[in-house]
Amino acid sequence: SQELEQSPQSLIVQEGKNLTINCTSSKTLYGLYWYKQKYGEGLIFLMMLQKGGEEKSHEKITAKLDEKKQQSSLHITASQPSHAGIYLCGAELPSGTYKYIFGTGTRLKVLA
Amino acid sequence: DTAVSQTPKYLVTQMGNDKSIKCEQNLGHDTMYWYKQDSKKFLKIMFSYNNKELIINETVPNRFSPKSPDKAHLNLHINSLELGDSAVYFCASSQGTGYQETQYFGPGTRLLVL
Repeated sequence: SQELEQSPQSLIVQEGKNLTINCTSSKTLYGLYWYKQKYGEGLIFLMMLQKGGEEKSHEKITAKLDEKKQQSSLHITASQPSHAGIYLCGAELPSGTYKYIFGTGTRLKVLA
Repeated sequence: DTAVSQTPKYLVTQMGNDKSIKCEQNLGHDTMYWYKQDSKKFLKIMFSYNNKELIINETVPNRFSPKSPDKAHLNLHINSLELGDSAVYFCASSQGTGYQETQYFGPGTRLLVL
């Protein structure tokens, strides 16, 4: 079973609309990463969250890590076609194990 | 300048062949990784090296063998390729190994085994 669940699996929105992608773990996370993969291209690091309640923004993308550090949400405001791609969350399992896990990915399409 | 580069970008080969994928980072990082992304876009870590020493070795077939000649390079050699090896392989690097370290990914190598 997946240790990091993302929802939704796919999302189609009209340009200009806001959207949210969620990443949920059954365990406490020790660092939560968000990546974007453009179709057919490599992964792009978006941001990293460490502390419970932390929130970070990058251009029109905002990510939050809840207080219990078991869920993170990625919010895109006024989506644009350039936001299209696959969004992946990733995290490290208990500190010191050096084991990283990734979510199942969310495929985003933005209609112009 | 490209931070993490991989070669080749595309690789099409026959079952049973042996192939290598190369990865180089010019970020001065100590840690490098290999990930496999399957057809469902799930990313799974395969190996990690820190200062040329293997620190993560997930359950992958023995046909896969990483080699790190120096800190800036981590190559992946695959013997006796199988159809199920078809995937996109991503290389990444980070300064250290802790959770606070940001990983930087290469563009990926798309492997197709026929």
